[in-house]
Amino acid sequence: QSVLTQPPSVSGAPGQRVTISCTGSRSNIGTGYAVHWYQQLPGTAPKLLIYGNNNRRSGVPDRFSGSKSGTSASLAITGLQADDEADYYCQSYDISLSAWVFGGGTKLTVL
Amino acid sequence: EMQLVESGGGLVQPGGSLRLSCAASGFSFSNYWMSWVRQAPGKGLEWVANIKQDGSEKFYVDSVRGRFTISRDNAENSLYLQMNSLRAEDTAVYYCAVRHADSSTGGSFDPWGPGTLVTVSS
Repeated sequence: QSVLTQPPSVSGAPGQRVTISCTGSRSNIGTGYAVHWYQQLPGTAPKLLIYGNNNRRSGVPDRFSGSKSGTSASLAITGLQADDEADYYCQSYDISLSAWVFGGGTKLTVL
Repeated sequence: EMQLVESGGGLVQPGGSLRLSCAASGFSFSNYWMSWVRQAPGKGLEWVANIKQDGSEKFYVDSVRGRFTISRDNAENSLYLQMNSLRAEDTAVYYCAVRHADSSTGGSFDPWGPGTLVTVSS
């Protein structure tokens, strides 16, 4: 059971828009600590996509965007492409656990 | 370009020990916090440990505290994870990563190495 909750899977057709939610609590996202998003392509290491809630890492297409409100955050991907198929993870810091925490991951399938 | 490469993984029996290494290049290693994050087969990501630039502060997830030790050698641009009293549930790919933050809490991980697999089994 992850501290941050993500849907196990989402899907969309090429060109469509999908969102991935990340729900936390007042001891992590709700404290004001930033949310960061990672993309893990099959068989590879995770890569940072979005840092500080809504900042794209250099080289990340503007089709990817992040937002945060209260105790939740979201990753939006527009203009879906086949090579967006991957696992996506949110991450923040939890003051009660004194630990860096990840969501359980969301598998994106491009139909 | 920041680059990280892990080594030292392998098969070890329960109760055994293993030392992972992470070689850093392409950046001023001594200027950054460093971290270990692991991923059990078919599972999600789990933060394991962080170490400050000069090694003076270290943080661990509860499940490894007292068994694992993170360390670094800034002269060698290397990060280490000494793992003792290994359990089956420690089986995972272990990634080293650069931690970006202005303080000892919060922050993101970027980049990550390709990882090294640790299997704990008899």
